[in-house]
Amino acid sequence: AAGVIQSPRHLIKEKRETATLKCYPIPRHDTVYWYQQGPGQDPQFLISFYEKMQSDKGSIPDRFSAQQFSDYHSELNMSSLELGDSALYFCASSNQGGTEAFFGQGTRLTVV
Amino acid sequence: AQKVTQAQTEISVVEKEDVTLDCVYETRDTTYYLFWYKQPPSGELVFLIRRNSFDEQNEISGRYSWNFQKSTSSFNFTITASQVVDSAVYFCALSETLQGAQKLVFGQGTRLTINP
Repeated sequence: AAGVIQSPRHLIKEKRETATLKCYPIPRHDTVYWYQQGPGQDPQFLISFYEKMQSDKGSIPDRFSAQQFSDYHSELNMSSLELGDSALYFCASSNQGGTEAFFGQGTRLTVV
Repeated sequence: AQKVTQAQTEISVVEKEDVTLDCVYETRDTTYYLFWYKQPPSGELVFLIRRNSFDEQNEISGRYSWNFQKSTSSFNFTITASQVVDSAVYFCALSETLQGAQKLVFGQGTRLTINP
């Protein structure tokens, strides 16, 4: 069965650069969630989208933005990167009304 | 506010021992979902179980079992006859139902090490 696809799997950026993470949800899933997991931390909710509209927002820095496109894939854009942005970024997808979100394998971002 | 507490930061046992991971949650919702995820060293989040707030039946899946007690707001996870491959970080999570979507609040995680 198709799963949530995240790309790239690994990314190394320098401070003050920008990064774009991509998420391709499971087919027919209309809701996407982004989580950030710092080293030794639990995943923290950043933002979610339903039918291309932002549905909820968590502790997402102003330097980050995200959107969901017409094909339901989502991109997380991160600007003016800081060392503290180094983390594992997870995307998850679900159906509207679904009781479970399926996670991708994550993108490991390292800022140097 | 919703909160999940996993008081055990790290647990280390010898292979074949049984081990229980504790999870206590707080929520004002009457309808909610509880989850357990496994995160091996490779980093992915592996779904283990989902339980809704109306189903207090315990569940067993192979060597894994879960004890959901609404009265104590706990959802504990037991691994029987542990194996080295069970070594991972385990997260308990609670859903915030928002317009039918699911936003998860995670506990801090318990790092489980199974020694041969």
